[in-house]
Amino acid sequence: AQKVTQAQTEISVVEKEDVTLDCVYETRDTTYYLFWYKQPPSGELVFLIRRNSFDEQNEISGRYSWNFQKSTSSFNFTITASQVVDSAVYFCALSELLETSGSRLTFGEGTQLTVNP
Amino acid sequence: DTGVSQDPRHKITKRGQNVTFRCDPISEHNRLYWYRQTLGQGPEFLTYFQNEAQLEKSRLLSDRFSAERPKGSFSTLEIQRTEQGDSAMYLCASGEGNEQFFGPGTRLTVL
Repeated sequence: AQKVTQAQTEISVVEKEDVTLDCVYETRDTTYYLFWYKQPPSGELVFLIRRNSFDEQNEISGRYSWNFQKSTSSFNFTITASQVVDSAVYFCALSELLETSGSRLTFGEGTQLTVNP
Repeated sequence: DTGVSQDPRHKITKRGQNVTFRCDPISEHNRLYWYRQTLGQGPEFLTYFQNEAQLEKSRLLSDRFSAERPKGSFSTLEIQRTEQGDSAMYLCASGEGNEQFFGPGTRLTVL
């Protein structure tokens, strides 16, 4: 069975601090995808990134960066110079490829990030 | 706006009533997913459509739940004889390949 663990339930930082959100996953699949989503108070899940299991290159997008380490089954997310607008719940998710095509996402329990001014 | 839309955004109902939610996916997406999210938890997969065919159903989807996508475009999720435990956010997503883009969700409260 697939599993995603986000050990940090809540993180609180002061604006401009860097913050890293941890994600550890379990899967028996050799091909899989990892995702990060942001859920602001409005409730909508906003797609941030998708990473293929064969691509271990780290990725940077503006203030966001992702560190994928297959050896430790981790896919951590760092926000540099955090801003108040970054306050949200962040979810890590793992896709399971279905035999019928398509995929099913398994989500972690989320990390509530609060950035204080 | 060409994102995923859901209607209604909020629904309050009494226990035992039936409710139906609608999801309009991004128009070119042939895959459509339903998830349920309870307070403080991550979303959980309910069911998946490829065009009009319902190809996967979670064990979470009891016989009181039914989903349809009759013309391969919009989808409906119906809950019959609602229970208080059905109170949750119901999220719809659409995509092609392995990406899934989510709608704003329908928040259901069962009194």
